Amino acid sequence: DTEVTQTPKHLVMGMTNKKSLKCEQHMGHRAMYWYKQKAKKPPELMFVYSYEKLSINESVPSRFSPECPNSSLLNLHLHALQPEDSALYLCASSLLGTAGTEAFFGQGTRLTVV
Amino acid sequence: QQQVKQSPQSLIVQKGGISIINCAYENTAFDYFPWYQQFPGKGPALLIAIRPDVSEKKEGRFTISFNKSAKQFSLHIMDSQPGDSATYFCAASKNSGYSTLTFGKGTMLLVSP
Repeated sequence: DTEVTQTPKHLVMGMTNKKSLKCEQHMGHRAMYWYKQKAKKPPELMFVYSYEKLSINESVPSRFSPECPNSSLLNLHLHALQPEDSALYLCASSLLGTAGTEAFFGQGTRLTVV
Repeated sequence: QQQVKQSPQSLIVQKGGISIINCAYENTAFDYFPWYQQFPGKGPALLIAIRPDVSEKKEGRFTISFNKSAKQFSLHIMDSQPGDSATYFCAASKNSGYSTLTFGKGTMLLVSP
């Protein structure tokens, strides 16, 4: 199983809503990532988790709150988002400890903030 | 500061032709250089990757050429097919234990039938 599964595929939320994005992998990867991708732009790194602990936060606003409840799951909690936060949110996972290992991406959640 | 520069922004190639996409990097700490292919509405998928100790790597119709002294690398797609029409991103990663990727801006490839 070389799959990273993200749910939901699409999400529309108001600026006062609270929602969560979910990501799951069963490849035994101990590094998991959230990327944000705006239309016609490359993915940009948001967060990195290693061994279920937050290792890198790329100065992401606090309205985005990541969580890694176990080695297979990664969540991104959303609260009080702005319309400019509308984007494709990608989850990825990889092995740890060896540089240059493949990062497997999910299909993404297309988020629209209204 | 854009750490990985990619060109061209878009590319149209006839079926059977060779598609060439170029990237240049500035940070000498980068030591892993993957290429990702992304179709509309999908996540990026790894095509091929190279390390700086190798000057060329070939997998099927896809070849990476790497020039460490010039800090440049390129993707060649031989015998391009309409199904290759997608956005291609070069990327770079440092030896940090993670696979954190710095992406180029992407190239939209259209292979005409």
